[in-house]
Amino acid sequence: DQQVKQNSPSLSVQEGRISILNCDYTNSMFDYFLWYKKYPAEGPTFLISISSIKDKNEDGRFTVFLNKSAKHLSLHIVPSQPGDSAVYFCAASDGTYKYIFGTGTRLKVLA
Amino acid sequence: GAVVSQHPSWVICKSGTSVKIECRSLDFQATTMFWYRQFPKQSLMLMATSNEGSKATYEQGVEKDKFLINHASLTLSTLTVTSAHPEDSSFYICSAADPTEAFFGQGTRLTVV
Repeated sequence: DQQVKQNSPSLSVQEGRISILNCDYTNSMFDYFLWYKKYPAEGPTFLISISSIKDKNEDGRFTVFLNKSAKHLSLHIVPSQPGDSAVYFCAASDGTYKYIFGTGTRLKVLA
Repeated sequence: GAVVSQHPSWVICKSGTSVKIECRSLDFQATTMFWYRQFPKQSLMLMATSNEGSKATYEQGVEKDKFLINHASLTLSTLTVTSAHPEDSSFYICSAADPTEAFFGQGTRLTVV
């Protein structure tokens, strides 16, 4: 049973436009969420996090939105750049620091 | 931010041999570390939680006798893939966490031939 889902396996966006990556979860005990970026054959790189007491967190070009009632979070990248092309994973934790990862969305930013 | 170092970054071994992967937290003490595995084009799957000074906790379906985890100090956890087979070929990643985020090693690509 996949507790964290990213239903879009891939996304293509024009450079300069907004990229929106979505993530849904089923476990209501999750209270901390992370987004990671991963290049092939490398470990994940932390991007941004959000705790369940917030509904938005912003860091530069990256903004994460959390809708607890819908059990949904999204990552907005604006403006998108070619260097943002990678696989993005959302991850969730119930406070134990043990993270459950989504299946990933491959973002391709077209120049 | 904190740094987690994983070694080696890639390894090729013969079927039937054992391979050890090291994970070090370089600037903080990690009482708990995590080992993940990623198959091609799939998500990172948690294999086990490594607890300093005690036995690791394995996720369902992960063979503890095949994937030996040792967390002898607050800065080092090791994963040993014993009697490796080609189906063990994968990308293995370790992680250590503090209260605000999880830090990941660079990953180890294991190829068993």
